[in-house]
Amino acid sequence: KNQVEQSPQSLIILEGKNCTLQCNYTVSPFSNLRWYKQDTGRGPVSLTIMTFSENTKSNGRYTATLDADTKQSSLHITASQLSDSASYICVVTSLKLIFGTGTRLQVFP
Amino acid sequence: DAMVIQNPRYQVTQFGKPVTLSCSQTLNHNVMYWYQQKSSQAPKLLFHYYDKDFNNEADTPDNFQSRRPNTSFCFLDIRSPGLGDAAMYLCATSRDPGSSYNEQFFGPGTRLTVL
Repeated sequence: KNQVEQSPQSLIILEGKNCTLQCNYTVSPFSNLRWYKQDTGRGPVSLTIMTFSENTKSNGRYTATLDADTKQSSLHITASQLSDSASYICVVTSLKLIFGTGTRLQVFP
Repeated sequence: DAMVIQNPRYQVTQFGKPVTLSCSQTLNHNVMYWYQQKSSQAPKLLFHYYDKDFNNEADTPDNFQSRRPNTSFCFLDIRSPGLGDAAMYLCATSRDPGSSYNEQFFGPGTRLTVL
């Protein structure tokens, strides 16, 4: 069964700190892996996308990694800001999109 | 610039009263999707259109229907909303599902409340 699991479910950090979110997947066939940011009450917005051959991709303070052998991905957020408070969703594209349930990040001042 | 537009952003309906949610896109993408997202859950694909071809997910209830009159617009019709249909409904578009870089662009969503 195709699955995408994320950890932790929720995370609280102080402004300015770094954090890392994890994503493990068992999806076949694999096309690409994306990280989305979803603010409360809004649609998801794509942060990064990686195909099988890419193992790291950056977008400003967001850096995603992909290990296709272990089927793991991570999203590292550097120098967090209050506006980073959101849900972060790992999505693997197969024949359709397979969504993780997300990590809810809260950044406090 | 708005790319995927959903109207209304908030919709309140009564139990059993039909409701229509609207999605439009300025991207000229071939594929349009409708997702249902309940609180703290991942979006769940209901169906999608590839051009005029309608593709229904096996577990999408008959209560949910969709129309795509042209490339730009797609509608979600809920014939008899139940309390369990209260959710965020997300519309998304993509150029070509066969591309390995097939990115889906999401609209802001419509929050549906059923009284």
